[in-house]
Amino acid sequence: DTGVSQNPRHKITKRGQNVTFRCDPISEHNRLYWYRQTLGQGPEFLTYFQNEAQLEKSRLLSDRFSAERPKGSFSTLEIQRTEQGDSAMYLCASRPRGEGVTGELFFGEGSRLTVL
Amino acid sequence: QQQVKQSPQSLIVQKGGISIINCAYENTAFDYFPWYQQFPGKGPALLIAIRPDVSEKKEGRFTISFNKSAKQFSLHIMDSQPGDSATYFCAARVRFQKLVFGTGTRLLVSP
Repeated sequence: DTGVSQNPRHKITKRGQNVTFRCDPISEHNRLYWYRQTLGQGPEFLTYFQNEAQLEKSRLLSDRFSAERPKGSFSTLEIQRTEQGDSAMYLCASRPRGEGVTGELFFGEGSRLTVL
Repeated sequence: QQQVKQSPQSLIVQKGGISIINCAYENTAFDYFPWYQQFPGKGPALLIAIRPDVSEKKEGRFTISFNKSAKQFSLHIMDSQPGDSATYFCAARVRFQKLVFGTGTRLLVSP
């Protein structure tokens, strides 16, 4: 499978615990995005990497959230001291260098977080 | 200014009918307007996209109509099929920046 891969697909945790999600983008894509999607809403931008550099972070990304993309390959999104309001689908997307033919973002299937 | 407003929230269409979903924006710097389709348990996938230098783009049964002066764009699904039942998101982007998504329209095509 050459698509965007996200793990785990579903994580259930207790409030206060830390969780980490991993995203493996399409191999030739140098741009990687994290979005959050809550029920009945569209994806909301969290952060963006170009290669290993984190170029933009949303105000939604509180200090409990941290994202990394070491070596410009896979990325991790860690949430510390989870709260019930963190329950959502966390989507990763990647895009190739330049605009590409369509400017398309390629999304993974997401990691669903449930905080009890 | 970064918002994209989408309507309706939900839509029921009979098989063979036309589904129409509308979006509006304020930021005139947006230069790329895609529509994404999302099935339950899956990530969004690009359906069709348009740039503001054209007023209409058609791909198969899917058409985007774009009205630059009104700052509105819409998705038309002709001959809607039960397999089209999904959530549809409009989006917009300033060149080299992030995609901003609408709130989504849940489409149900009845057999």
